[in-house]
Amino acid sequence: GAVVSQHPSWVICKSGTSVKIECRSLDFQATTMFWYRQFPKQSLMLMATSNEGSKATYEQGVEKDKFLINHASLTLSTLTVTSAHPEDSSFYICSASPPLRWNEQFFGPGTRLTVL
Amino acid sequence: AQSVTQLDSQVPVFEEAPVELRCNYSSSVSVYLFWYVQYPNQGLQLLLKYLSGSTLVKGINGFEAEFNKSQTSFHLRKPSVHISDTAEYFCAVSRNDYKLSFGAGTTVTVRA
Repeated sequence: GAVVSQHPSWVICKSGTSVKIECRSLDFQATTMFWYRQFPKQSLMLMATSNEGSKATYEQGVEKDKFLINHASLTLSTLTVTSAHPEDSSFYICSASPPLRWNEQFFGPGTRLTVL
Repeated sequence: AQSVTQLDSQVPVFEEAPVELRCNYSSSVSVYLFWYVQYPNQGLQLLLKYLSGSTLVKGINGFEAEFNKSQTSFHLRKPSVHISDTAEYFCAVSRNDYKLSFGAGTTVTVRA
């Protein structure tokens, strides 16, 4: 149990376009999901906390207008990178916590974004 | 605020030898502690966690970790590694706000 999926697993786009990444909890409902960014050979940096039915909470330094997060249902959160630029190229990972296991996060497999 | 320090960025080890990955944290309040493993181009998999209770925690794949409150450490150990243990290992802490703070990671390379 507690499986989290992401789609797509990798995406290449042109500079200036927008890219949407989906994060789904497959076998549980998640009121809270998290989005992380990971640069090559570095650690994960929390970007935002996604709450079902309300606005996401962004970490300091993360542009909310550039990284749009929508948590439309208890099993789906989306991250849209708007007007992507090469510096947005990164590995984006989401996580979710099952009910009554709020102190555990289960991670998706990640999405590799390359902006040309 | 809390921070996590993984003292070793890279740990080469021979197959069947023991390994220890060091993790120290700083926090003014009680924390929850985690170790995750990441294989290339994949997400993170939970190895083990300390929430409360016994300070010696056993996880998957033969890993264990010991919480030492006085030394604010949560070192990860495995008595005998396999080639398949080659991966990146992350120590993480969280408080009641559910947010995870990660260490910089330790690359473990197991050689035959």
